[in-house]
Amino acid sequence: AAGVIQSPRHLIKEKRETATLKCYPIPRHDTVYWYQQGPGQDPQFLISFYEKMQSDKGSIPDRFSAQQFSDYHSELNMSSLELGDSALYFCASSPSPPTSGYQETQYFGPGTRLLVL
Amino acid sequence: AQSVTQLGSHVSVSEGALVLLRCNYSSSVPPYLFWYVQYPNQGLQLLLKYTTGATLVKGINGFEAEFKKSETSFHLTKPSAHMSDAAEYFCAVSDPFTGTASKLTFGTGTRLQVTL
Repeated sequence: AAGVIQSPRHLIKEKRETATLKCYPIPRHDTVYWYQQGPGQDPQFLISFYEKMQSDKGSIPDRFSAQQFSDYHSELNMSSLELGDSALYFCASSPSPPTSGYQETQYFGPGTRLLVL
Repeated sequence: AQSVTQLGSHVSVSEGALVLLRCNYSSSVPPYLFWYVQYPNQGLQLLLKYTTGATLVKGINGFEAEFKKSETSFHLTKPSAHMSDAAEYFCAVSDPFTGTASKLTFGTGTRLQVTL
């Protein structure tokens, strides 16, 4: 079965540089979530999109922005990178909530490991 | 706000022994509960989830969890540990009634070590 695709898988940047992470959801999933997992920590929610509109926002720095495109893929743009941004960035996707409004299961991609030097 | 507490950041069991990983949640409404597993340098894989209905949930790789509302718990168990079970396990909670993209709130994780 198709899974969530993230690219690149690994990324090395210098401080103050920019980075763009991409996420391709499972086919027919129109909801995308971004999480950040620091070394030895639990994943922290950054932001989510549903039908190309921002749905929820978590602890995402102002230096970061994200969007979801017409084909439902999403990009996380990170500027003025800091050492503390070094982490594993996960994207997850889920199908549309059913008419009952109940939350659907999130399926995670393999992550992008960002190292800021 | 919802939260999850995982008791024990490290658990070590012998191969063939019972695995018990503890998770307690805090939520003002009946939540959706999940267990994810993360192998070294890999992503998060869904083990099992509780939404509604039967409180004993069976997942992949022989794991199961029981939702106990009275104890606000969702402990993960496996009757017999295997070396391949060594990984980080995360309990997570979400609000099922948002109607749109509801974030997952994770616990701090439990690292399971399986010894011979």
